[in-house]
Amino acid sequence: QKEVEQNSGPLSVPEGAIASLNCTYSDRGSQSFFWYRQYSGKSPELIMFIYSNGDKEDGRFTAQLNKASQYVSLLIRDSQPSDSATYLCAVSSNQFYFGTGTSLTVIP
Amino acid sequence: DAGITQSPRYKITETGRQVTLMCHQTWSHSYMFWYRQDLGHGLRLIYYSAAADITDKGEVPDGYVVSRSKTENFPLTLESATRSQTSVYFCASSESQYRMLTGRDTTLHFGNGTRLTVT
Repeated sequence: QKEVEQNSGPLSVPEGAIASLNCTYSDRGSQSFFWYRQYSGKSPELIMFIYSNGDKEDGRFTAQLNKASQYVSLLIRDSQPSDSATYLCAVSSNQFYFGTGTSLTVIP
Repeated sequence: DAGITQSPRYKITETGRQVTLMCHQTWSHSYMFWYRQDLGHGLRLIYYSAAADITDKGEVPDGYVVSRSKTENFPLTLESATRSQTSVYFCASSESQYRMLTGRDTTLHFGNGTRLTVT
C-alpha cells in the first residue's frame, strides 16, 4: 500500500468552476500535509500546507484535512487556465512522502 | 543569484557509466534532499543530508551514492548507471526538517531538475 494515494486524473473542469483534488494517506502518525503544483517540465512549488483538522483558505485555494478519515483535499475556486498543472499531495511522517499527482486541465 | 541550482539539466549516458548530478544551494540550508520522479511513482526520496558530512538513506537509495563535504553542495553519483535509473532527478533544500515536516517552515525549495537518460 502506498503511503499517499491520489487519483491520477486527468481531471478537466471549465474555467470558473471549482476543481476538487483528493488525497488519502496511510500513516495515522502523519503530522503535516502539503499541496504542490507542478507545471509540465518544471519543479514542484508549494501552494498550501495544513496540519490541523478543518479548512485552511488562501485566496482561491482551500485545503481540507480530516485526520480521522486520513483524507486531504484541495479546492480551487474560480479555476483559471493557468491552474492547469499536476497537483502533488505530500504528507510528513518519519519522512516526506509524495503522491503520484493529479493532472488538472482547466478548459477556457 | 540566490537559490538552488542543479546541473546538468539534461544528461544522456550509457549503461555501466558513472554519472554525477550536481546540486548547489546558496541559502545555507541545513537539509538537502535528492528525489527522483517517475510516471506512476511520483517523487521518491533517494538520500538526504541533515548537515555537512551527515547523510542518510531514503526510500530508494540502491545504486546511488551521495556526499556532503560542504553545506552548499550535495552531489548525487550513480556509480554504474542502469536503464532503470532513467528519470528526472530533483534536488531540494530546507532550513529545518522539523519545521518543514510540521508545517512551521514551508520552504522546501526544489531545483529545476536533471533529466537523465540511460541508454
